[in-house]
Amino acid sequence: QKEVEQDPGPLSVPEGAIVSLNCTYSNSAFQYFMWYRQYSRKGPELLMYTYSSGNKEDGRFTAQVDKSSKYISLFIRDSQPSDSATYLCAMSALTGSNYKLTFGKGTLLTVNP
Amino acid sequence: ETGVTQSPTHLIKTRGQQVTLRCSSQSGHNTVSWYQQALGQGPQFIFQYYREEENGRGNFPPRFSGLQFPNYSSELNVNALELDDSALYLCASTKGDRGRYTEAFFGQGTRLTVV
Repeated sequence: QKEVEQDPGPLSVPEGAIVSLNCTYSNSAFQYFMWYRQYSRKGPELLMYTYSSGNKEDGRFTAQVDKSSKYISLFIRDSQPSDSATYLCAMSALTGSNYKLTFGKGTLLTVNP
Repeated sequence: ETGVTQSPTHLIKTRGQQVTLRCSSQSGHNTVSWYQQALGQGPQFIFQYYREEENGRGNFPPRFSGLQFPNYSSELNVNALELDDSALYLCASTKGDRGRYTEAFFGQGTRLTVV
């Protein structure tokens, strides 16, 4: 079993839809949970990070973490064509004296005008 | 823009050759991590450098090695290239402080093709 599981999609939605992206994980040592957006042939861009369980909102984006279920989600409201990208969940645990990231495979999202 | 720059952007090498990839970290960041991202996969952790010393390594063979310099820039070296080494290599910098989490910011990556 992989440490982080993410449905690769692809996911195609109409403009204005609410998008739900999800990841599950198995390593209970993970403490920080992140969502990155990656456009084709570019480096990942940090969207949001959360610590422990709970919700965090930033504009049209909401991140949720449920540590008891080992499940994290990213919601995108009023989705736009510019949101079309691959969304990567990432999780972090202390390794040595600093944190390293473990990523899911990424979900390819297309928002159609 | 994150302030993390990688060079070169693209590279084509022949199997068996050696390659060096470079990364300049964001100003004020003393920790650099390298990741390999194969096509259609998430990035995989290669190793991390903190204040010029290796600070954690993923499941990669010893022919993957690195350096960090006093200005916190970093190099990734890969010897005896194999076809499976073809991937996007990503550098991430963080303002590492022992045991304290800070956000990681990625460069645009170096796309390596081994033929």
